Amino acid sequence: AQRVTQPEKLLSVFKGAPVELKCNYSYSGSPELFWYVQYSRQRLQLLLRHISRESIKGFTADLNKGETSFHLKKPFAQEEDSAMYYCALSGRNAGNMLTFGGGTRLMVKP
Amino acid sequence: GAVVSQHPSWVICKSGTSVKIECRSLDFQATTMFWYRQFPKQSLMLMATSNEGSKATYEQGVEKDKFLINHASLTLSTLTVTSAHPEDSSFYICSARDLQRYEQYFGPGTRLTVT
Repeated sequence: AQRVTQPEKLLSVFKGAPVELKCNYSYSGSPELFWYVQYSRQRLQLLLRHISRESIKGFTADLNKGETSFHLKKPFAQEEDSAMYYCALSGRNAGNMLTFGGGTRLMVKP
Repeated sequence: GAVVSQHPSWVICKSGTSVKIECRSLDFQATTMFWYRQFPKQSLMLMATSNEGSKATYEQGVEKDKFLINHASLTLSTLTVTSAHPEDSSFYICSARDLQRYEQYFGPGTRLTVT
């Protein structure tokens, strides 16, 4: 079975501080990993996916197959980064459907 | 970018009645749509996968006779909550997969309150 774990429900940092939102997964095979973000009163939207290897809004995430992790990082947090962040996994074993982690609420304080 | 709409965005109904929620992909075709449920301060839980022209696939623990899903066209899927009860009150979110880009796009959600 595929599973996504986000150990922190809440992460609070000051503006300008580095941010790391943790995500660990379990999956037998080669998964596709995603980070989704949900700003207050807005719909869920894709932030980035591991196969793109891109930086979006200053965020990056590297897939570490050895540690089965896909942590989301940003060197300098901004107040507008405050949101709910969901790590998600998609794999062929389950028809490519998305399995979401529990989510981490990021609060960036001024 | 691709847009998914949901209607209504908010609905209140009495216990025992049925409520239909629509999910539309506005500028792309989606052979597969997904229905999620989200409780306050919790993550999204997949309820069912809806494929155009065929029966939906329900996740374990989701009553298919209670949550009726119809995916009649490449741009529309509906979720009907039958004989709603207060415990069905939740935020229901749909997503649609764009086959050309192989990406899921999410609707804004529908808040259902059953009194």
